Amino acid sequence: GAGVSQSPRYKVTKRGQDVALRCDPISGHVSLYWYRQALGQGPEFLTYFNYEAQQDKSGLPNDRFSAERPEGSISTLTIQRTEQRDSAMYRCASSSGGRPQETQYFGPGTRLLVL
Amino acid sequence: QKEVEQDPGPLSVPEGAIVSLNCTYSNSAFQYFMWYRQYSRKGPELLMYTYSSGNKEDGRFTAQVDKSSKYISLFIRDSQPSDSATYLCAMSGAGGTSYGKLTFGQGTILTVHP
Repeated sequence: GAGVSQSPRYKVTKRGQDVALRCDPISGHVSLYWYRQALGQGPEFLTYFNYEAQQDKSGLPNDRFSAERPEGSISTLTIQRTEQRDSAMYRCASSSGGRPQETQYFGPGTRLLVL
Repeated sequence: QKEVEQDPGPLSVPEGAIVSLNCTYSNSAFQYFMWYRQYSRKGPELLMYTYSSGNKEDGRFTAQVDKSSKYISLFIRDSQPSDSATYLCAMSGAGGTSYGKLTFGQGTILTVHP
């Protein structure tokens, strides 16, 4: 079956612009996670949802970052007034439930470059 | 200091060698321990998962957790060139909203040469 998909795969933007990154989880998966991965580093947790409810947003770096999942399926991570330090790979993952023993399946990521 | 520390390597071994990968952590609330494998330009994929202390074996892979020392390991026996990847340890708490939050190590780059 289809895995987690993310779009766009690559995004180049100028400093100060807003960007929206999309994640389409595996069909039927209750939980959806956003991570950021810098080159040579492990993924860093940003936020996660169970259905449409945002359970934990403690990893969002500042108030320029927000995420939503209004219908409990597709999610959007929005970065306002982008800065060069926001450049990274943004990864989405989904799992069938919110328990830690349930596998998180990762998408291919969106590579964001802020000039 | 990071909550999870992992030696980034790189680690280069000959085919057939036994590989040992390790992570240490500082948060005693971690109860679930995972190892992910990440091939170049791909997303991480779950390799093994362990709850609390103990060992778990799956084919050529063995995961060990020592909660008293806050130390986890992944052993790969009879390593193959196809095992060449970055190996990431990840951990999670046991309750409340910490369920879904994975804390990853930096990743260890492994190359198995023929």
